[in-house]
Amino acid sequence: GQNIDQPTEMTATEGAIVQINCTYQTSGFNGLFWYQQHAGEAPTFLSYNVLDGLEEKGRFSSFLSRSKGYSYLLLKELQMKDSASYLCAVLDSNYQLIWGAGTKLIIKP
Amino acid sequence: DVKVTQSSRYLVKRTGEKVFLECVQDMDHENMFWYRQDPGLGLRLIYFSYDVKMKEKGDIPEGYSVSREKKERFSLILESASTNQTSMYLCASSLEGQGLAKNIQYFGAGTRLSVL
Repeated sequence: GQNIDQPTEMTATEGAIVQINCTYQTSGFNGLFWYQQHAGEAPTFLSYNVLDGLEEKGRFSSFLSRSKGYSYLLLKELQMKDSASYLCAVLDSNYQLIWGAGTKLIIKP
Repeated sequence: DVKVTQSSRYLVKRTGEKVFLECVQDMDHENMFWYRQDPGLGLRLIYFSYDVKMKEKGDIPEGYSVSREKKERFSLILESASTNQTSMYLCASSLEGQGLAKNIQYFGAGTRLSVL
């Protein structure tokens, strides 16, 4: 079967750094996506990785290791507005997105 | 900016009612998707469509049907609503193709459906 695992909830402090992990087992791999979803709102695209390594986009970076079936999203200089759920999704061999359950990130002042 | 619009943010229906959820996108995307989102579960694909009048079952199509008569509009139909269909329903669209950028899905704000 296909499986994507993320922690259910994480807490971090404003101004700090947090790393949200995602591990996956899917039938094929054509890329990994990260989305942000604020409570009651639509998921919005953050980043994608297809090759191993780190992709940096301002305060957010995403890392991929295909051999380990592992990715993480790194958020720096946390702000209160970063409180949201972060969804990991893998594009499988049929070009279907397989979604993790999401990690709820709580930022404390 | 891509805009995906869902017709209702909140709906309350009775068991056995026929329910229509509408979704419209304005970016000429070929692919459209319907998901449901429940606490503790990932987004689960109900149906998707890659062209007008074309539809494909996703992971949980039972109890649902869809209609795509125009490229910009994708409707989800609950033929006879049941309480276990109480959920958040999300519509999304994307371009057609194999590149990663073409597989970015753009979502509507969601419809929270309660079936009593």
